[in-house]
Amino acid sequence: SQTIHQWPATLVQPVGSPLSLECTVEGTSNPNLYWYRQAAGRGLQLLFYSVGIGQISSEVPQNLSASRPQDRQFILSSKKLLLSDSGFYLCAWSRGTSNQPQHFGDGTRLSIL
Amino acid sequence: DQQVKQNSPSLSVQEGRISILNCDYTNSMFDYFLWYKKYPAEGPTFLISISSIKDKNEDGRFTVFLNKSAKHLSLHIVPSQPGDSAVYFCAASRLGSQGNLIFGKGTKLSVKP
Repeated sequence: SQTIHQWPATLVQPVGSPLSLECTVEGTSNPNLYWYRQAAGRGLQLLFYSVGIGQISSEVPQNLSASRPQDRQFILSSKKLLLSDSGFYLCAWSRGTSNQPQHFGDGTRLSIL
Repeated sequence: DQQVKQNSPSLSVQEGRISILNCDYTNSMFDYFLWYKKYPAEGPTFLISISSIKDKNEDGRFTVFLNKSAKHLSLHIVPSQPGDSAVYFCAASRLGSQGNLIFGKGTKLSVKP
């Protein structure tokens, strides 16, 4: 069976510090990978998605970047965090064919001070 | 512009009765629809999906109905149980979008014993 791991579960960072959140998937190959953010009181917003190693698409302009150095690894980064980067970050995967559900990790609660 | 709308932020239902969660969408290109359940501090869990070629899909206590002409879908939970208490998100994707999901803002369901 497939599993998705996200860490850390919670993170408190000062404004201007860098960020690296990691997500890995097990039990499948060549998945589509996704990063979402859920701000307080709002739905999930897609930030980045990837259909293969080194292939990253950004959905919204922002202070963040994503990378996929390996098939089942997806990293969300920032060089300098802003207060507005606070939120709940979720990684997800799906099979690389059409009409497939996405499966989510347990998320990272990021607080910027 | 919100393409997927869940107009009821909350819903309260008695245990054993039916829960009906509603979702409206505006993009006629959406062809795949999903419902997710989310507990606090966890990632969303996939519940059930439906493609646009169908108008109903059933899985145990959960049934999703799709009305394409009205651009409306609903999730029925029968019978409702206290463990169903969570936030429910409706999501949609369109053909060729690499499975990118557009989420509603969620409806918080409370099932009272």
